[in-house]
Amino acid sequence: NAGVTQTPKFRILKIGQSMTLQCAQDMNHNYMYWYRQDPGMGLKLIYYSVGAGITDKGEVPNGYNVSRSTTEDFPLRLELAAPSQTSVYFCASSDQVGTSGYTDTQYFGPGTRLTVL
Amino acid sequence: GENVEQHPSTLSVQEGDSAVIKCTYSDSASNYFPWYKQELGKRPQLIIDIRSNVGEKKDQRIAVTLNKTAKHFSLHITETQPEDSAVYFCAASSTAGGTSYGKLTFGQGTILTVHP
Repeated sequence: NAGVTQTPKFRILKIGQSMTLQCAQDMNHNYMYWYRQDPGMGLKLIYYSVGAGITDKGEVPNGYNVSRSTTEDFPLRLELAAPSQTSVYFCASSDQVGTSGYTDTQYFGPGTRLTVL
Repeated sequence: GENVEQHPSTLSVQEGDSAVIKCTYSDSASNYFPWYKQELGKRPQLIIDIRSNVGEKKDQRIAVTLNKTAKHFSLHITETQPEDSAVYFCAASSTAGGTSYGKLTFGQGTILTVHP
């Protein structure tokens, strides 16, 4: 299993440009997440998905969009890049909440380092 | 929503000493508390987690304790080694009502430096 993969690893955008960050997992996980990590800070949730066709906003969704057409893929779209979106973006996945009701482990991808100039 | 505070922000110890990192959370419905280790330029890696039905969990040199009444949990690393140097993050998640969907709220991180 490759686990969670992300592309690209690095990207530099100009203000106003658009791009899609790709995320894929091969563990058949229902739950997928996008986080951003600003320098010296913890991770903040942007969007999440509980299955194909179902997405919802996290803590910091403004300026982003997502879609989930398959179980494996969860791309993150930036429509009009702004300097405030300079960050490292991590995608993660986990199995669904178990029958015990407890969250399952989240597995992270390697990240995409995005700079907006 | 949930808020997680983590202290200290930096921690420097000598090799062989113990290190303790503490986190507090605000949502009494939180019931899952993972700890992640992140090396420079790498992804966060889960090192240990605890669920609210236990008060302590240990894995070799790493242990986590949970105090639900006080709403805080701590990471304990014994016999520290230089390779333990990294940023450590705590997080909390709630499945209250079955609707949290595993969303994690992270602390701000602790930079641990272990000096040889």
